[in-house]
Amino acid sequence: NAGVTQTPKFRVLKTGQSMTLLCAQDMNHEYMYWYRQDPGMGLRLIHYSVGEGTTAKGEVPDGYNVSRLKKQNFLLGLESAAPSQTSVYFCASRRQGSGYNEQFFGPGTRLTVL
Amino acid sequence: KNQVEQSPQSLIILEGKNCTLQCNYTVSPFSNLRWYKQDTGRGPVSLTIMTFSENTKSNGRYTATLDADTKQSSLHITASQLSDSASYICVVSARNNDMRFGAGTRLTVKP
Repeated sequence: NAGVTQTPKFRVLKTGQSMTLLCAQDMNHEYMYWYRQDPGMGLRLIHYSVGEGTTAKGEVPDGYNVSRLKKQNFLLGLESAAPSQTSVYFCASRRQGSGYNEQFFGPGTRLTVL
Repeated sequence: KNQVEQSPQSLIILEGKNCTLQCNYTVSPFSNLRWYKQDTGRGPVSLTIMTFSENTKSNGRYTATLDADTKQSSLHITASQLSDSASYICVVSARNNDMRFGAGTRLTVKP
């Protein structure tokens, strides 16, 4: 039981390049989330999904796209990376239902955009 | 505006000492408050959850308190250990499942 995994762990991009971050969970959770974490700020929600084939915008969605083709995977895409997207990205998942259900986080992806 | 403020931003204590971290929030209507521990280079891990009716909850050397009237929570760490060095994040959920994250308190425990 690996929990939530993220690939890659680190990545350096040049401005304008594109990439996809992959999140996978083996807990059969319905809900999945993508956050970014910047120094001095709390985690901010980029996009989330409440089930396979559904996605929704979070607090800071601009410049990102997501897809949830399979229940266990949640992909975050950057079509044209910008230096402002330099951050640490965390994926999380949780069971459907009560807001008391715990979110489980992946180890993070550190992205640098030059 | 739903916000979560944590203090202090950072804290350095000696091993074996106690400390208290603070979390103030304006999230409404309130559902629950979680404290997470985030080790360097890792994702956050839940320590404890507080609901509206709970005032105090302990998890080993960690004790969380909640005052829903003043919208304040604290996390008290007793007899600190080197492994307690981490960031501690307060997350407050509203009843519509909207979650707000505090910026965290960076705790360093020195030998």
